[in-house]
Amino acid sequence: QKEVEQNSGPLSVPEGAIASLNCTYSDRVSQSFFWYRQYSGKSPELIMSIYSNGDKEDGRFTAQLNKASQYVSLLIRDSQPSDSATYLCAVTGGATNKLIFGTGTLLAVQP
Amino acid sequence: DGGITQSPKYLFRKEGQNVTLSCEQNLNHDAMYWYRQDPGQGLRLIYYSQIVNDFQKGDIAEGYSVSREKKESFPLTVTSAQKNPTAFYLCASSPYPWTEAFFGQGTRLTVV
Repeated sequence: QKEVEQNSGPLSVPEGAIASLNCTYSDRVSQSFFWYRQYSGKSPELIMSIYSNGDKEDGRFTAQLNKASQYVSLLIRDSQPSDSATYLCAVTGGATNKLIFGTGTLLAVQP
Repeated sequence: DGGITQSPKYLFRKEGQNVTLSCEQNLNHDAMYWYRQDPGQGLRLIYYSQIVNDFQKGDIAEGYSVSREKKESFPLTVTSAQKNPTAFYLCASSPYPWTEAFFGQGTRLTVV
């Protein structure tokens, strides 16, 4: 079982829709959770951090964390073509205490 | 401007050659990291440093070496022992170990 799992996609949504990106992790004691956006050929950019159960909103982005289910998600409202990128989930604070990345989900927003 | 600078952006290595990738940060971060990214794969940890003059091997350290003589600098050497070095190399830093990490623009290394 991978430590951090994401569906590779592509996830295709129409412009203006809500994109829902999901991530599960295996280490129950993980404490910190991050979402990065990576455009093709570029480096990852941190867009959201979440540390406690529930929702955290920042503009069009909402991160959701459920530690009991070991599940973290990212919602993007009013999706724009410029949101088309790979979204990486990263988790830290587990037994290894390292920042572990998922393989990413490719999001394609169709105009 | 505060940030993380990696150089060069593109690097070509001949067989049997050692090459060094530069990473400099002016964010006053304690921790620095090197990750490798291959097409269709996630980021894999090569080396990390939580404080000056200390560094630890990550998951794929074989064929690589690092130094951390200054807080601002964490260069990575890809040695001839690394048999498949073609990849996108990413340097990152965080204020404290294993907190929010911020990335440089990356170095794309190709073996010719």
